[in-house]
Amino acid sequence: IAGITQAPTSQILAAGRRMTLRCTQDMRHNAMYWYRQDLGLGLRLIHYSNTAGTTGKGEVPDGYSVSRANTDDFPLTLASAVPSQTSVYFCASSPGQGSGNTIYFGEGSWLTVV
Amino acid sequence: AQSVAQPEDQVNVAEGNPLTVKCTYSVSGNPYLFWYVQYPNRGLQFLLKYITGDNLVKGSYGFEAEFNKSQTSFHLKKPSALVSDSALYFCAVRDMTGSARQLTFGSGTQLTVLP
Repeated sequence: IAGITQAPTSQILAAGRRMTLRCTQDMRHNAMYWYRQDLGLGLRLIHYSNTAGTTGKGEVPDGYSVSRANTDDFPLTLASAVPSQTSVYFCASSPGQGSGNTIYFGEGSWLTVV
Repeated sequence: AQSVAQPEDQVNVAEGNPLTVKCTYSVSGNPYLFWYVQYPNRGLQFLLKYITGDNLVKGSYGFEAEFNKSQTSFHLKKPSALVSDSALYFCAVRDMTGSARQLTFGSGTQLTVLP
């Protein structure tokens, strides 16, 4: 069972460049999420999608965009990277939005913006 | 707003001893609580959750958590710690008030089990 696949695993990116982090899940989950993890701040939600064709903003959406063209894929794009976007990015998914549904996480993408 | 707090940044325990990682929550409505573990350079792995029912929830790798409504706590426990349990542990609450229905995480507790 692959679960959630994120790519790239790590990347060093020049400031001002555009970057897309890819996320694919094979569990046919309806809901998908992007979180960033920063030391001392825990995990914070960037964007989410409740189902294919819909997206929403989380706690820290500025500088990021997402799309959800189908159930499986949920890419995160940094239009013009800045050093403050240096972080570990986690894609996650859940069968649905019910209270009992567990959210599962990918292995992360380590991004350094220089 | 829904929130969880993990009052301890670091917990050290000797191998074979019981361990407790603390979590308190603040929610409006019913609490839906989760524990995750993160090993170095890895993603978060689900351990257990409380939705309703018994206050003692059993999860993966021998972990359990006790839900206490009066103390608004959801502490993670294990009767006998292993060195391999050393990791970063996150408590989280599922926020059912907004459209995202996302997990809101505590800041994490680094558990070190000493041999």
